[in-house]
Amino acid sequence: SQQGEEDPQALSIQEGENATMNCSYKTSINNLQWYRQNSGRGLVHLILIRSNEREKHSGRLRVTLDTSKKSSSLLITASRAADTASYFCATNAYSGAGSYQLTFGKGTKLSVIP
Amino acid sequence: DAGVIQSPRHEVTEMGQEVTLRCKPISGHNSLFWYRQTMMRGLELLIYFNNNVPIDDSGMPEDRFSAKMPNASFSTLKIQPSEPRDSAVYFCASRRGTDTQYFGPGTRLTVL
Repeated sequence: SQQGEEDPQALSIQEGENATMNCSYKTSINNLQWYRQNSGRGLVHLILIRSNEREKHSGRLRVTLDTSKKSSSLLITASRAADTASYFCATNAYSGAGSYQLTFGKGTKLSVIP
Repeated sequence: DAGVIQSPRHEVTEMGQEVTLRCKPISGHNSLFWYRQTMMRGLELLIYFNNNVPIDDSGMPEDRFSAKMPNASFSTLKIQPSEPRDSAVYFCASRRGTDTQYFGPGTRLTVL
């Protein structure tokens, strides 16, 4: 079953604006990760935030995690046309037998208009 | 590092044929994952291996799908016989420990 659910499903903004995407999940997690996928390409890892962290930054990316609400957000500041892609959150949780499994949401499709 | 390598990048086949997808994980990674991505169902985990041992294959759609990992540097996903509904992009990913997964470029499979 889908663990992470992104919101919104699609987002269209002007270049230079900020883009915020949200992710909600249902069970306890070890960490939460955000990935980006350009059309027709593989997924690229953007940032990982652990369950004991509340905020993390990487360049123009800012990720927050609220484990009490089981939610995360990804903020892209000063967006560029090249940021146009689908963004996925993935929750990493214990799946038994000493193993951890990533479960992906369906993604937010971001369009940045030049 | 070359990253996760998948082959072929594109595969077009006819219904009923056997299809074999290949993956070479990043050296030193001990977990390998096979995913399928479609517009309708999004990204689905099919199976994953930990230290070459299949841990969870509950995502494998049916018996027509099988996966092997004979050693730490190679895995295959086989579909026999293939059906049009198997058309999708198949991704392989690998990781070390419990952190970041690195994805391959994917194999776009079309079954006619």
